[in-house]
Amino acid sequence: EAAVTQSPRSKVAVTGGKVTLSCHQTNNHDYMYWYRQDTGHGLRLIHYSYVADSTEKGDIPDGYKASRPSQENFSLILELASLSQTAVYFCASSPGQFSNERLFFGHGTKLSVL
Amino acid sequence: GEQVEQLPSILRVQEGSSASINCTYENSASNYFPWYKQEPGENPKLIIDIRSNMERKQTQGLIVLLDKKAKRFSLHITDTQPGDSAMYFCAALSGSFNKLTFGAGTRLAVCP
Repeated sequence: EAAVTQSPRSKVAVTGGKVTLSCHQTNNHDYMYWYRQDTGHGLRLIHYSYVADSTEKGDIPDGYKASRPSQENFSLILELASLSQTAVYFCASSPGQFSNERLFFGHGTKLSVL
Repeated sequence: GEQVEQLPSILRVQEGSSASINCTYENSASNYFPWYKQEPGENPKLIIDIRSNMERKQTQGLIVLLDKKAKRFSLHITDTQPGDSAMYFCAALSGSFNKLTFGAGTRLAVCP
């Protein structure tokens, strides 16, 4: 089974503070993603990456930055956390667009911004 | 882009009966439709998927139907068990990049 590890598992942040969520995969997958889960909205794509040192905007990128320093690691950065960013964040990886689109999700990070 | 609508948002069924979840999509170029199951406190996991060159796929008590003309696909769980209680998400993939658009989810409760 493919392995995607997120840290921390939960975090409480203050409004205006900086938050960094980390994701590490040992699957040798090229593609990595950050999704946000809110009740009633399902999973929404924030940022994604298909190669190290490059990131792309997803459907809801405002207020978030991403960093892919290596194939294995993908971070999500909230420079100025806001109340509206309280959610569960999932990182995922996949082998590639032409071979297998299956997503392997991490266990999520529950972020509470107060 | 793509938009995926998923209904119902909540579904309660009796153990042993069938459960059906329906999704519609907008982009006729969408060609891959997976279903993910998320148990409480867990991450979503792929349970079944169907590609646009198929109309039906079945595996282990799960049936997926795809109607490309109507831009609709559905998940049918036969002989539901308490272990089927979870959140289910449909999704559609379109565009040149491997980007999935998810539905809002269906919370299924199987009652004994």
